[in-house]
Amino acid sequence: DGGITQSPKYLFRKEGQNVTLSCEQNLNHDAMYWYRQDPGQGLRLIYYSQIVNDFQKGDIAEGYSVSREKKESFPLTVTSAQKNPTAFYLCASSIGPPEGGYTFGSGTRLTVV
Amino acid sequence: AQSVSQHNHHVILSEAASLELGCNYSYGGTVNLFWYVQYPGQHLQLLLKYFSGDPLVKGIKGFEAEFIKSKFSFNLRKPSVQWSDTAEYFCAVNAGGQNFVFGPGTRLSVLP
Repeated sequence: DGGITQSPKYLFRKEGQNVTLSCEQNLNHDAMYWYRQDPGQGLRLIYYSQIVNDFQKGDIAEGYSVSREKKESFPLTVTSAQKNPTAFYLCASSIGPPEGGYTFGSGTRLTVV
Repeated sequence: AQSVSQHNHHVILSEAASLELGCNYSYGGTVNLFWYVQYPGQHLQLLLKYFSGDPLVKGIKGFEAEFIKSKFSFNLRKPSVQWSDTAEYFCAVNAGGQNFVFGPGTRLSVLP
């Protein structure tokens, strides 16, 4: 079955460390997105990529970095510069412009200890 | 900037009760509207979407939503909820471009 795979499901990080969240899709979708979900705040866009080797900042990109070396993969690195990294991170993809809606992954819960 | 508000943070209903979840957005132009659902432990799924045409949109699992342009609203309804509808519901707006704006979500608890 086609879909989006995020790993790991739970991740613990010490303060000051960088950590990379994986997102892989086998839907042949061009566009991929990273969202952060916090209780009572909905989803906020971190980064998105419309094609390979290109990506754009979203609303809350500070303290995060991404790469898009392959169409299938869009990893997110949470750097030590992110002041409040504990959150639920969702990866999504769309076949083209997002008006058709997203396909979401199951998410990674990151906790900084 | 666009914004989306959802009227209720947490709604508690008994099975067979009727449901209406409010969603309002602030954007004066043409918008595409969505409702997503996140069941416990699962990923976000699209319930229904509105692009144009009939303002009453039917989605999966008996849900429907009505777009009222004059009120900037896109409320979600279901005539009779089931315990399995317990989930968090997100309204989202896309006014073109690559970004959706999501509402803060409404948690629905259905008591058996």
